[in-house]
Amino acid sequence: KAGVTQTPRYLIKTRGQQVTLSCSPISGHRSVSWYQQTPGQGLQFLFEYFSETQRNKGNFPGRFSGRQFSNSRSEMNVSTLELGDSALYLCASSLGRGRSLAGGLYFGPGTRLTVT
Amino acid sequence: QKEVEQNSGPLSVPEGAIASLNCTYSDRGSQSFFWYRQYSGKSPELIMFIYSNGDKEDGRFTAQLNKASQYVSLLIRDSQPSDSATYLCAVNAGAGSYQLTFGKGTKLSVIP
Repeated sequence: KAGVTQTPRYLIKTRGQQVTLSCSPISGHRSVSWYQQTPGQGLQFLFEYFSETQRNKGNFPGRFSGRQFSNSRSEMNVSTLELGDSALYLCASSLGRGRSLAGGLYFGPGTRLTVT
Repeated sequence: QKEVEQNSGPLSVPEGAIASLNCTYSDRGSQSFFWYRQYSGKSPELIMFIYSNGDKEDGRFTAQLNKASQYVSLLIRDSQPSDSATYLCAVNAGAGSYQLTFGKGTKLSVIP
C-alpha cells in the first residue's frame, strides 16, 4: 500500500508571500493531520481533518489554514510568510475511526519550506 | 499545557547492548502512547504503540507503560548501528482528541 505523499518536497519563498502544500493520505485513511517541525520547538500540531471537517486546531496564528477534500486529500496554506515559518511541514494520516488516534499516525516525507 | 519530556541525549550504546529510552508526560488522562523513530533528514516512522500498563514486545523493541508514574519507556535489545536515530515519544489524550503531543526526542548513537 502506498504511503502518505506530499508535494512539493522543497520550497523557497520570500517573506510576505503565501504558500500551499498538498498531501495525499494512505488509501482508506480518512483523517489527515498537519505538523510543523523545527529544531527549537520540535513537532507541533497544526490541525486535523476528518471527512472534510476540522476536528482539532493547534496554537498557530490564523495565517495557517487548511482544508480536506472529499477524496481525503488535504492542503494547508500559509499566508503572509514570516522568517519563522521556515520549517519541515509534515502531513500524517490515520484511519480516524472512533474518537481518538488510537491507531497512531503515519507521516509523509514532509515539505521543507525556507522563507528568505 | 500538556507536556512530554525526554532526555535529548545523545545516548551512546555499544553494538549489541540494550538501549533504554525514557519519556514522562504531564496529562494524567492520556490514553495512548507512541514511539517514533526519525532518521536525520527523514520523517518520523511509527515503531510501537501501547495503551495498557505493562510491557509490549515487538521483535527487538519493548515498550513499557506506567500510568501511575506517568512514564513510558522503549527498550531496544541487541542494538545495531542502523538503530542510530532520534526517538520521539508521543502521547494522545484519548477520546475526543485528534492530536499527538510529541517530546523533543532522544538522539541514540549505536557504536560499532
